Formats: sequence, C-alpha cells, structure tokens
Amino acid sequence: DQQVKQNSPSLSVQEGRISILNCDYTNSMFDYFLWYKKYPAEGPTFLISISSIKDKNEDGRFTVFLNKSAKHLSLHIVPSQPGDSAVYFCAASVASGTYKYIFGTGTRLKVLA
Amino acid sequence: GAGVSQSPSNKVTEKGKDVELRCDPISGHTALYWYRQSLGQGLEFLIYFQGNSAPDKSGLPSDRFSAERTGGSVSTLTIQRTQQEDSAVYLCASSLLNRQETQYFGPGTRLLVL
Repeated sequence: DQQVKQNSPSLSVQEGRISILNCDYTNSMFDYFLWYKKYPAEGPTFLISISSIKDKNEDGRFTVFLNKSAKHLSLHIVPSQPGDSAVYFCAASVASGTYKYIFGTGTRLKVLA
Repeated sequence: GAGVSQSPSNKVTEKGKDVELRCDPISGHTALYWYRQSLGQGLEFLIYFQGNSAPDKSGLPSDRFSAERTGGSVSTLTIQRTQQEDSAVYLCASSLLNRQETQYFGPGTRLLVL
C-alpha cells in the first residue's frame, strides 16, 4: 500500500520552461515533506522541504506547494535547466526532525536543450 | 569533505550465498540509516542506527537481514542465504542527530541475486 505516490514515472520539459512534479499522499498524519533529487550512480540529495504549517516554500528556482486538503504536493522548477535532469523523489513523515520517511517511487525529469 | 561512501558499488551473487554491504558515513554523523530500492519501488527504510545501537530495526524484511555498526562509524548490512527478491539497490545515509530530516546518501550498492 503506497502511502506516497508519484504517479508520473517520467516527464520531459523544454529548457527554460516550468517543470511541475506531483506527489500525492494518503496519510493525513503526515506533516513534513521533502523532495530529493537523484542523479545516475549517485545517492539522492536533499532539495527542499515543507512543513504542514505552510503551503509554499521557495528556494531559488525551486518551489514546493502543499495542498493539505487534497493531500497533494508539487515541486515547481522554473526555469528548467538541462542540469535538472534527474529522478525526483518526494518523501513524507509524521513529524519534522524525525528520521522515518516514506518515499515515493520517483519521477524521472528530462530537460531538453 | 568526504561524503557517504558504500562498497561494493555492484555485487552479483548466487542464490543462497551470504553478502556483506559496507557503508562509511560522513565523519561526525551519529545517525545512520539503511534503505533499499527495488525495481519500480520507492526507497524502503530498513534500519536506523544511533551511534552503535539500532533502536529501530522495524524495516528489516526478514531474519536473514542484519546490520551492525562499530566505533560509531562504519556499518555493515549482511544478507544471509540471499534470495532473488533481495535484488535491489541498497542505500546508506547518515545525518547529524539533531538534523535527521536532512540525510546524506551514499551512491548505493546494486545487488543482483541470480
């Protein structure tokens, strides 16, 4: 039973355009969310997080939006760059500062030059 | 500074054999985690170390899986009598104890059980 779902296994976007990666969750107790980025042959690296007390968190070209009523979060990358091509995982936990995260299956983003 | 390293990067073994996977965390990181990612699945939590002790082993899928950590540093994940369903990428991560939401991952060990 997948508690965190990334329904799009892959996404292609033209360089300079917006990339939108989506993530849905089923557990209403989740209140802290992360996005990780993974390049081939490397481990995932932390990208951005959001707490349930917020509905938006921005860091440069990356913005995460949280819609608690819909149990949905999304990662926006704008403008997209070829170096953003990677697999993106969302993860959720029931509290910030905890180690136990439930990860989605990932979305492979390809940014076309 | 050096990141998390794992060895071997790839391992092919025959069903029934034992394997050992090694993780070298970032120096000073008290917390260490093992995950695995099977094909088409998300990262699956296996075990969490705080120093040398493992307060949470809840993710280990069977008693064929065990892990230890010595000197608060290197950790070894051992899989006994490997099965084909054990084939996956095994990832190790480490973090500071007070920053467990920010885990630093190693590149993983890709295990293939024939």
